[in-house]
Amino acid sequence: NAGVTQTPKFQVLKTGQSMTLQCAQDMNHNSMYWYRQDPGMGLRLIYYSASEGTTDKGEVPNGYNVSRLNKREFSLRLESAAPSQTSVYFCASSPNSDTQYFGPGTRLTVL
Amino acid sequence: GENVEQHPSTLSVQEGDSAVIKCTYSDSASNYFPWYKQELGKGPQLIIDIRSNVGEKKDQRIAVTLNKTAKHFSLHITETQPEDSAVYFCAASKGGYQKVTFGIGTKLQVIP
Repeated sequence: NAGVTQTPKFQVLKTGQSMTLQCAQDMNHNSMYWYRQDPGMGLRLIYYSASEGTTDKGEVPNGYNVSRLNKREFSLRLESAAPSQTSVYFCASSPNSDTQYFGPGTRLTVL
Repeated sequence: GENVEQHPSTLSVQEGDSAVIKCTYSDSASNYFPWYKQELGKGPQLIIDIRSNVGEKKDQRIAVTLNKTAKHFSLHITETQPEDSAVYFCAASKGGYQKVTFGIGTKLQVIP
């Protein structure tokens, strides 16, 4: 039981490049989330998926898109990366949207 | 929307002393208050939570108290140990499929 896994662990992009952050969970959870963590700002919700087939915007969705591929997988896409998107990205899952289980994070740098 | 304020932002204590972290929330409809611990280079991990129908909850050296009237809740760690050093986040939600709002975190340093 691996819990929540994220790939890649680290990534460096140039401004304007695109990339997809992958997240998978093996706990059969309904809800999945993407957060970004920046110094002094805590965890801010980018997008979430309450259940397979649905996605909703969180607090800071601009510049991102998501896909809930199936119950296990929830990906985050940056179409045209900007330096302001330099951050640590965390994926989380929850059986009922209360207790959340986080992955190890992806550290992204945009030059 | 919900706003969660957390303080202090940093806290240093001597090993064996107690540590207290406080949070306030704005939405009186919030009814679920988890606390997460984040060690360096890792994702946050739930350490304790409390629901609005309970005033206090304990788990070994960790306790959380909730004052619904004042809309604040606190994390208490007793007999601190070096392995308690981490960033702690409080959070609030309305439960169900409502999103969770996090505080900005408290960096706790336990000095041996």
